[in-house]
Amino acid sequence: DGGITQSPKYLFRKEGQNVTLSCEQNLNHDAMYWYRQDPGQGLRLIYYSQIVNDFQKGDIAEGYSVSREKKESFPLTVTSAQKNPTAFYLCASSIMDNSNQPQHFGDGTRLSIL
Amino acid sequence: DAKTTQPTSMDCAEGRAANLPCNHSTISGNEYVYWYRQIHSQGPQYIIHGLKNNETNEMASLIITEDRKSSTLILPHATLRDTAVYYCIVRGGGYNFNKFYFGSGTKLNVKP
Repeated sequence: DGGITQSPKYLFRKEGQNVTLSCEQNLNHDAMYWYRQDPGQGLRLIYYSQIVNDFQKGDIAEGYSVSREKKESFPLTVTSAQKNPTAFYLCASSIMDNSNQPQHFGDGTRLSIL
Repeated sequence: DAKTTQPTSMDCAEGRAANLPCNHSTISGNEYVYWYRQIHSQGPQYIIHGLKNNETNEMASLIITEDRKSSTLILPHATLRDTAVYYCIVRGGGYNFNKFYFGSGTKLNVKP
C-alpha cells in the first residue's frame, strides 16, 4: 500500500540529547512537511520541502533541523536547543503541482522528555 | 496569521446531519479550502476540498458561500465514529502554494 510511514510511534529523550524522527513516503510526492501538535491544539508547521536538497522554515523552526537527501525521506531532528520538545509530531506529503491535491499524513510520533 | 476560524466544539445526534462552519474571510481568489478530521492520536484524514463550487464525495459535502468568505462541511448522517476534531484549512497562494494553514479545529461530539 502507498502511504507515509513515521517511526518510531513513541520516543523518549533525555534532556540535552538530539533525537531524529523518521518519515518515509512511497507516494512519489515532491513536497513533504513536518508539523507539531500540542495537547488540545491545532497543527503548526515546522519545516517543509518542495524538492530534494531544498527546504524552508515554517512557523516554529527554532530548535529543529531537517534534511532532504532523497525524495522519499524527510527526517526531522529535534535538537537540544528546543526547550519544550514534548509534543505529537506529524509528517505529511503532497503533489507539487497545480492540481490542488491534498496533503497526506502519517500516524505521527509522540515525543516525551524523561 | 490565523487564516480560518471555527467553533471550538459542537454536538450532533447520531443519524442527524452535522453542519460544521468555517470562516475564512481573508481568503484570496486562488486559495482552496480543505477539510480534514483527526481522531485522537492519529494523523489527520483528508475529507474534501473546493475552490468556489459546492463539492460532494462519499464522506461529506462542502458548501462554499458565493463570496467565498465562509464554508460549511456537512456530514449527512453522523455516526459515533464521526466523533473527531475537524480542521478547516486554507491552502497558501503564490509562492506559498504548498503551505497549508491549519485552523484551531472543531471538536464534533456525536451522541447516541
